[in-house]
Amino acid sequence: ETGVTQTPRHLVMGMTNKKSLKCEQHLGHNAMYWYKQSAKKPLELMFVYSLEERVENNSVPSRFSPECPNSSHLFLHLHTLQPEDSALYLCASSQDHYSGANVLTFGAGSRLTVL
Amino acid sequence: GQNIDQPTEMTATEGAIVQINCTYQTSGFNGLFWYQQHAGEAPTFLSYNVLDGLEEKGRFSSFLSRSKGYSYLLLKELQMKDSASYLCAVTDSNYQLIWGAGTKLIIKP
Repeated sequence: ETGVTQTPRHLVMGMTNKKSLKCEQHLGHNAMYWYKQSAKKPLELMFVYSLEERVENNSVPSRFSPECPNSSHLFLHLHTLQPEDSALYLCASSQDHYSGANVLTFGAGSRLTVL
Repeated sequence: GQNIDQPTEMTATEGAIVQINCTYQTSGFNGLFWYQQHAGEAPTFLSYNVLDGLEEKGRFSSFLSRSKGYSYLLLKELQMKDSASYLCAVTDSNYQLIWGAGTKLIIKP
């Protein structure tokens, strides 16, 4: 496979469930990102990892927990979510986070519905 | 605060030309991006401008004026497959990407 792969593509969970989103990149990039995309809103950056070290955490609730075991994999662990957390969660990677010309390659996203 | 403005929705006719505007107010500037996102798919990179002027790539061109905090994406010879959302984003002085809410472009036959 090439590019950025996200699984699952669709996820429905109750507020008491625990689930995880997975992202894998096959591009040899050094940075990986989690974004939240809600209808008619700008992309919201959640977490950034550069060389497997978390470098940004934009005031994300603790019910979202990221994990980056190596430079190719990124997880988003979910627990006790709220209905307002329903959204499309996009993973992305880039060659170098600290660059003006930081082109992101996105995965197709995981559509999350919280009941 | 930092802000990017772009129209919410635009409609154009197949074969025509459309210009999607983007204005920004950010803490510093390290470049401006345009991404295309088809419904249900990943955003994909279209263009990057860091210097003033026009960058042309086939049917798509992107323009930047740093003094005016302004950019536009120009799409020529529109095709039905160009129906998508177009996202404008700016890298600020801390290399943080600031995103607009996107412009949904509807192409009519």
